[in-house]
Amino acid sequence: EVQLVESGGGLVQPGGSLRLSCAASGFTFSSYWMHWVRQAPGKGLVWVSRINSDGSSTSYADSVKGRFTISRDNAKNTLYLQMNSLRAEDTAVYYCARDEAWRFDYWGQGTLVTVSS
Amino acid sequence: QSALTQPPSASGSPGQSVTISCTGTSSDVGGYNYVSWYQQHPGKAPKLMIYEVSKRPSGVPDRFSGSKSGNTASLTVSGLQAEDEADYYCSSYAGSTISVFGGGTKLTVL
Repeated sequence: EVQLVESGGGLVQPGGSLRLSCAASGFTFSSYWMHWVRQAPGKGLVWVSRINSDGSSTSYADSVKGRFTISRDNAKNTLYLQMNSLRAEDTAVYYCARDEAWRFDYWGQGTLVTVSS
Repeated sequence: QSALTQPPSASGSPGQSVTISCTGTSSDVGGYNYVSWYQQHPGKAPKLMIYEVSKRPSGVPDRFSGSKSGNTASLTVSGLQAEDEADYYCSSYAGSTISVFGGGTKLTVL
């Protein structure tokens, strides 16, 4: 059974940093591209970032480019999102999702990041 | 990286059909057949319902169907049931290994 479990969310002050993790199991993690998608409270889904299967290529939404870094450790079956210079508008539930030909076929349960003083 | 355009709400009575549109541009919806649809119930993670415009993952009822014409994709839910009440999001590949979502549509079963 495919499972994605996010962790690392919490309350952080504006300008602060946080690293999210997504532990994957039930599939060959190193064979799949992965994504981060976020959802602000009461709002819609927004694509944040993606990484290819070996970690050599990444893409970012304009809103996070230069502040967020996606990475992965295939030996640990774990996806990461390093978030720096956090802003109030980054407050959201962050989901990791598996990519299968540009569809997000499995999602984690999400982890809440709150940026507030 | 502009969001795809969806109506904020849609509704129908049990047994009826409802169609939700998703409008993009030739750089996303119109340019690729990588349009997918997701269902999200309150407090839950999204669930893939349609991929590559019109394909259904195993386990998704055939009451859900997808199509595309030009820059607009559509999700049709036939034979509406109470459990179909949820938020629905479209997504498209937008080139340069970037994805984009629609703003979401709240489907109400009257």
